[in-house]
Amino acid sequence: DAGVIQSPRHEVTEMGQEVTLRCKPISGHNSLFWYRQTMMRGLELLIYFNNNVPIDDSGMPEDRFSAKMPNASFSTLKIQPSEPRDSAVYFCASSNWDRDQPQHFGDGTRLSIL
Amino acid sequence: AQSVSQHNHHVILSEAASLELGCNYSYGGTVNLFWYVQYPGQHLQLLLKYFSGDPLVKGIKGFEAEFIKSKFSFNLRKPSVQWSDTAEYFCAVNDSASGTYKYIFGTGTRLKVLA
Repeated sequence: DAGVIQSPRHEVTEMGQEVTLRCKPISGHNSLFWYRQTMMRGLELLIYFNNNVPIDDSGMPEDRFSAKMPNASFSTLKIQPSEPRDSAVYFCASSNWDRDQPQHFGDGTRLSIL
Repeated sequence: AQSVSQHNHHVILSEAASLELGCNYSYGGTVNLFWYVQYPGQHLQLLLKYFSGDPLVKGIKGFEAEFIKSKFSFNLRKPSVQWSDTAEYFCAVNDSASGTYKYIFGTGTRLKVLA
């Protein structure tokens, strides 16, 4: 089975630029989660979707961050404009909660904002 | 609010030593519990999970964890660690009765195993 697929694996860009991170969840999973991991703050949940609907976005740090899930097989996390403090590893995870499936994580996107 | 505490931030062991990593959570209701491992530069992988039933859960790579409800704990154990167990370990809790799907993760424990 293909796991959770994230792209790009690495992104380096200058502050002020728009950044779009992409995630393809495991087929059949109905929940999708975006996390951010930094040394200072550890692993933080930003937002999660169930059946393509955003359920809880209380972890989104500010209005510069937005996430969408237009269909069951694709989600994006966008940062506009980006700032150096957004530098982190961003993970996407998916699960099928109806079947008691735990969350499966993608390989992450390492984002560096210069 | 729910929280998860991992008391040991850094642990250093020699190969063949026994391992126990602590995890305590704050929620008093029905919970699902997880341990994930993150090898250097990699994503989080599930080690083991507890949903119900036998409180002693066996996972991959020789790890096990014991759910002690009265102590709100879910400690991870391994009788004999290997150099390849060097990684960061995360405990996570989900409130299974709330209808939410999100996990609360602990801050992680970095384990270094010396060859």
